[in-house]
Amino acid sequence: DAGITQSPRYKITETGRQVTLMCHQTWSHSYMFWYRQDLGHGLRLIYYSAAADITDKGEVPDGYVVSRSKTENFPLTLESATRSQTSVYFCATERTGDQPQHFGDGTRLSIL
Amino acid sequence: EDQVTQSPEALRLQEGESSSLNCSYTVSGLRGLFWYRQDPGKGPEFLFTLYSAGEEKEKERLKATLTKKESFLHITAPKPEDSATYLCAVQVPSNTGKLIFGQGTTLQVKP
Repeated sequence: DAGITQSPRYKITETGRQVTLMCHQTWSHSYMFWYRQDLGHGLRLIYYSAAADITDKGEVPDGYVVSRSKTENFPLTLESATRSQTSVYFCATERTGDQPQHFGDGTRLSIL
Repeated sequence: EDQVTQSPEALRLQEGESSSLNCSYTVSGLRGLFWYRQDPGKGPEFLFTLYSAGEEKEKERLKATLTKKESFLHITAPKPEDSATYLCAVQVPSNTGKLIFGQGTTLQVKP
């Protein structure tokens, strides 16, 4: 029972490169979320999705793109990575919109 | 603007020394307040949900309480394995499921 799988767990890339972080869930939860976690800022919402083909911006969406063609996958793409996007990224899922969210173990992304 | 503030930022306790963590919130409306535990290198792990003032939830050495303006996470006789970062998050009434997180309290329990 894997639940939520994030890949890769660690990634180092250079400024200007495109990078995609993957999130896969086995629960068929409707809601999926992407957060970034930085010292001094806590967890901040980047994008979320209420269902397949429905996505919306969170608190810090600039520089990121998401898609959700299938319920179980919610990839996050940095189209042209910048150093300020160095962070730990967490994916989360939730079943109905008013339940606790369940988190993956994160992707640690370093942009040089 | 909806806001969640946790205090203290860091807390060091001796094993067995009870204490409380605070989560203050200013929101347009509260659907629920969530407590999570986060270990280094891991994602947050759900602990409790509180929905209305006066509600309390318990799990082992942890007890969460809720008032109209804040929530407390009480830790009774903590053990070293309780060392972690504790996160508080609020959910406002909407159909988005979005959470607003505080910055967390990092707890260290020394044997």
